[in-house]
Amino acid sequence: EPEVTQTPSHQVTQMGQEVILRCVPISNHLYFYWYRQILGQKVEFLVSFYNNEISEKSEIFDDQFSVERPDGSNFTLKIRSTKLEDSAMYFCASSGDTSLSSTDTQYFGPGTRLTVL
Amino acid sequence: LAKTTQPISMDSYEGQEVNITCSHNNIATNDYITWYQQFPSQGPRFIIQGYKTKVTNEVASLFIPADRKSSTLSLPRVSLSDTAVYYCLVGFSGGYNKLIFGAGTRLAVHP
Repeated sequence: EPEVTQTPSHQVTQMGQEVILRCVPISNHLYFYWYRQILGQKVEFLVSFYNNEISEKSEIFDDQFSVERPDGSNFTLKIRSTKLEDSAMYFCASSGDTSLSSTDTQYFGPGTRLTVL
Repeated sequence: LAKTTQPISMDSYEGQEVNITCSHNNIATNDYITWYQQFPSQGPRFIIQGYKTKVTNEVASLFIPADRKSSTLSLPRVSLSDTAVYYCLVGFSGGYNKLIFGAGTRLAVHP
């Protein structure tokens, strides 16, 4: 069964450093998303991406965040200058096949645990 | 997006059937009901989706009454490995639409 993969599984960084979280969505999916989950809290939407541009972003997704699809398979989330409060699990998700059904399921990756020291 | 209400936690025992009910009084005509499961330190996993009446797959059943203001996820004969958080979401699950997660229901299955 196809699945979303994410690397690394755990990233430790110093405050102020840049990090790039990587995701390989399910091939032939067209919509990509990033969510985060602070320990013990709800899963929160960050950004959605379609046709090489951001479709929607939340108030969490400020100028420190950016997303990119550098090639035909990867989808990345960059945090330019990490803060302590960026420590969380970051989940990538993808949905949508060529039929573009409005009920296409979002499939989540296993997550990257980001720890900012 | 419709607001959902579900119990914070539930307890069950191995082999029992578990029913988790979700209220969504202001569900819109075009909204679907989707349930996800999440284990600790893992991404949410799609369980089942429905619009009305009953939907069944190899994992669960979803019961939706005619007024669609609530829905019930039914897990037959749970095992210890079903211990997880279960989320009820209302809206479009795919396309360009974001998912709005609530706190979910924390299900604990005991031996």
